[in-house]
Amino acid sequence: QSALTQPASVSGSPGQSITISCTGTSSDVGGYNYVSWYQQHPGKAPKLMIYDVSNRPSGVPDRFSGSKSGNTASLTISGLQAEDEADYYCSSYTSSSTRVFGGGTKLTVL
Amino acid sequence: EVQLVESGGGLVQPGGSLRLSCAASGFTFSSYEVNWVRQAPGKGLEWVSYMSSSTGRTIYYADSVKGRFTISRDNAKNSLYLQMNSLRAEDTAVYYCALGAYSGYDFGYWGQGTLVTVSS
Repeated sequence: QSALTQPASVSGSPGQSITISCTGTSSDVGGYNYVSWYQQHPGKAPKLMIYDVSNRPSGVPDRFSGSKSGNTASLTISGLQAEDEADYYCSSYTSSSTRVFGGGTKLTVL
Repeated sequence: EVQLVESGGGLVQPGGSLRLSCAASGFTFSSYEVNWVRQAPGKGLEWVSYMSSSTGRTIYYADSVKGRFTISRDNAKNSLYLQMNSLRAEDTAVYYCALGAYSGYDFGYWGQGTLVTVSS
């Protein structure tokens, strides 16, 4: 159950777009369309932003989008805003029927 | 309004036991798949355990807790539990209950977490 690989940090200026990658294997990310993304502000519980690769829960701005190619999933945030500064985690279902998270990415809005 | 409230965390010595609870309200608890997720201080999220909806017949654990932790649910009490035995220092974390709110493969609803500290 190795963690999915995410960049430790990304940054962008307000209004710009950023993309966070999440790399796994054919036994998790590549094998299933069950990748989800979470936003976590300091001291708060995580919040679901994307589920099943590219679906947005109600209430999540359409500036947030998800995609997948092979063993790598991506979260794109367009029109970056100050309140988007947070930690982001990806998660995937696995061939062992377990779940696995990425190591997390700290997004800084410059 | 969906609400999940964890309780039962605290300070416990290595080798000790603790039982966490998660009280659910605002929705039909029995219809949802449930999970425990933890986060060590300053670290990332780690999935701990899963239980299927309704009877909870299907259960999975992370290798790091298998044989030591037991997940259970009481639908009549709208509650989820995590019995933690043989606790180790590396089990120190905030423990969250999280529900598969959309496809079942997500963690759509989260509680606020309860802190477990394993230390002598």
